[in-house]
Amino acid sequence: QVQLVESGGGVVQPGRSLRLSCAASEFTFRSYGMHWVRQAPGKGLEWVAVISYDGNNKYYADSVKGRFTISRDNSKNTLYLQMNSLRAEDTAVYYCAKDFGYRITFGGVIDYWGQGTLVTVSS
Amino acid sequence: NFMLTQPHSVSESPGKTVTISCTGSSGSIASNYVQWYQQRPGSAPTTVIYEDNQRPSGVPDRFSGSIDRSSNSASLTISGLKTEDEADYYCQSYDSSNLVFGGGTKLTVL
Repeated sequence: QVQLVESGGGVVQPGRSLRLSCAASEFTFRSYGMHWVRQAPGKGLEWVAVISYDGNNKYYADSVKGRFTISRDNSKNTLYLQMNSLRAEDTAVYYCAKDFGYRITFGGVIDYWGQGTLVTVSS
Repeated sequence: NFMLTQPHSVSESPGKTVTISCTGSSGSIASNYVQWYQQRPGSAPTTVIYEDNQRPSGVPDRFSGSIDRSSNSASLTISGLKTEDEADYYCQSYDSSNLVFGGGTKLTVL
C-alpha cells in the first residue's frame, strides 16, 4: 500500500522559512508526479504545487509563487517543499499527494494522500 | 480563472441516495478529468472517484461519478447511504498548469 509520511511542520514566525519533507514508499516514486495540497483550519483544500516525475517541470498556485519551491530527490524517495517569507495566511495542514499519471509532464489526478503536517505561522 | 462550485451542505437518511454537484465556471468541465475526495472529520482526504467515474480499489460501488455536459457539471452519487459516509466531499479538476478544488460539501447522514 502506498505510504506518504510528511514531516517538518511546526510553529514559525512571519517572514521566516520552513522546509517540509514527504517520505514515499511502496511505489516507484521516480515514475510519478507529486503534489502539495494545504488546508487552513476549518477551510477547504487548496492546491499548492506539483512537480513532474523527473523534477524537470514545476507549477505553483499564484498564492505561493515566488515564495515556495517544490523539489524532489528520487534517490531518497523524498519530496520537499521549501517555504520562504511565510505569512499568517500560510497556516495550514500541508498534505503530500501522489499523482495518478505515469511518467507525464503535468498531472492533475491525485490518487493517494499523506496524513499531513501542521504549519503555524505566528509571532 | 477556472472555478468549481459545490453546495455547502447536503443531508439524507441512511439507506437513501444522495447526489453532490460540482459546476464549472467556464469552458467545458468535460475537457479535463474530475476527481472526488472524501474527508472524514480529523482525517486526511482519500480519493473515491478519479477520471470522472473510476473507483480506486477498495471504494465500494455505492460511489459513482458522472459528467453532465449540458449543465457543465460533475456529480458524485452515493447510494445505500451509511453513517460512515458522513464527511466532507471535494471535487477537483485542472487546466494546463493548475489544480482546482471545489469549496467542499458537508454530507450529513441522519
